[in-house]
Amino acid sequence: NAGVTQTPKFRVLKTGQSMTLLCAQDMNHEYMYWYRQDPGMGLRLIHYSVGEGTTAKGEVPDGYNVSRLKKQNFLLGLESAAPSQTSVYFCASSYQVLTYEQYFGPGTRLTVT
Amino acid sequence: SQQGEEDPQALSIQEGENATMNCSYKTSINNLQWYRQNSGRGLVHLILIRSNEREKHSGRLRVTLDTSKKSSSLLITASRAADTASYFCATGGYTDKLIFGTGTRLQVFP
Repeated sequence: NAGVTQTPKFRVLKTGQSMTLLCAQDMNHEYMYWYRQDPGMGLRLIHYSVGEGTTAKGEVPDGYNVSRLKKQNFLLGLESAAPSQTSVYFCASSYQVLTYEQYFGPGTRLTVT
Repeated sequence: SQQGEEDPQALSIQEGENATMNCSYKTSINNLQWYRQNSGRGLVHLILIRSNEREKHSGRLRVTLDTSKKSSSLLITASRAADTASYFCATGGYTDKLIFGTGTRLQVFP
């Protein structure tokens, strides 16, 4: 039981390049989330999904796209990376939302130069 | 926008002392959760308290919730060096999301 895994762990991109971050969970959770964490800002929600085939915008969705084609996977895409997207990205999942905790992956550290 | 605001932003104590950190929030909630983040790692869930509960314990952790003041506190008793981490509160409303605060950095010196 690996929990929540994220790929890759580190990445450096040049401005304008694209990439996809992969999140996978093996707990059969319905809900999945992508956050970014910046110094002094806590975690901010980018996009989330309440089930396979669904996605919704969070607090800071601009510049990102997501897909949830399979229940266990949640992909975060950056179509044209910008230096402002330099951050640590965390994926999380939960069984339900209202009274259940979230399980987090180890994070992806992304630098955009 | 941040729902939870933790106080203090940073806290340094000696091993064996108690650590108290506070969280204030703005809107009505269904539950409030506390998470720990070790340096360079993901967040780990510590404890969840529902809006109709006033106090909850888990090992050396004690959480209180005062919905009239829209505040919560996390007490770690008999702190250990291994408790060194950042601690975040997160509020769950009646939507699909948790909203996280900016965190308290706790340093426990041996």
